[in-house]
Amino acid sequence: QMTQSPSTLSASVGDRVTITCRASQVFGGSVAWYQKKPGKAPKLLIYGASTLDSGVPSRFSGSGSGTEFALTITSLQPDDFATYFCQLYTGYEFPFGGGTEVEI
Amino acid sequence: EVQLLQSGGGLVQPGGSLRLSCAASGFTFTDYTLSWVRHAPGKGLEWVASISAYEGHRKYADSVKGRFTISRDNSKSTLYLQMDSLRAEDTGVYYCARDQRYCGGECLAESFQHWGQGTLVTVSA
Repeated sequence: QMTQSPSTLSASVGDRVTITCRASQVFGGSVAWYQKKPGKAPKLLIYGASTLDSGVPSRFSGSGSGTEFALTITSLQPDDFATYFCQLYTGYEFPFGGGTEVEI
Repeated sequence: EVQLLQSGGGLVQPGGSLRLSCAASGFTFTDYTLSWVRHAPGKGLEWVASISAYEGHRKYADSVKGRFTISRDNSKSTLYLQMDSLRAEDTGVYYCARDQRYCGGECLAESFQHWGQGTLVTVSA
């Protein structure tokens, strides 16, 4: 299980924001982060806990290990207001966190 | 350009069946593990099932095990999800997704890099 916090985050353009996910136990696998906008498919931002997917702006970064992981967005841009999900992948289970809505 | 074009879905009564399809192009189909993920209204994302290149590995979420079947036709570059004994809680938008990791063989799924456009499944009387 992945516990994601906060569930809602109010921020302004230019802010630095951090979203965290905690796994219920130590696992063999890694974490990915996705951005989701209404009516659109999720977009992969980070995989392997800290590797930026191709084409993703460098203001996005991922960190963490063990059971604690984080997504940080430095200098929030208007296009970044969306919902973000973490995902644990072990090869056998792929639980998503509950999501964090980043709102203005 | 990688493309995943979904079809199927719609309105079905509880206990009914539906089959979703996902036609792939722009990459070598057998080089990647594929998955289905759903998004129920007002809820978060939920992984549904994954399948490796030659169907050696099939994994299912507990919530759909025994009711849903994931399969692929490599000759048609198409992924399927057969959904039987549908319940109201299966309602949502279903996405097919391709793994980020190049595999070239039988690999377990990891992160999901490319996604279909989504198709709505509504289970209601």
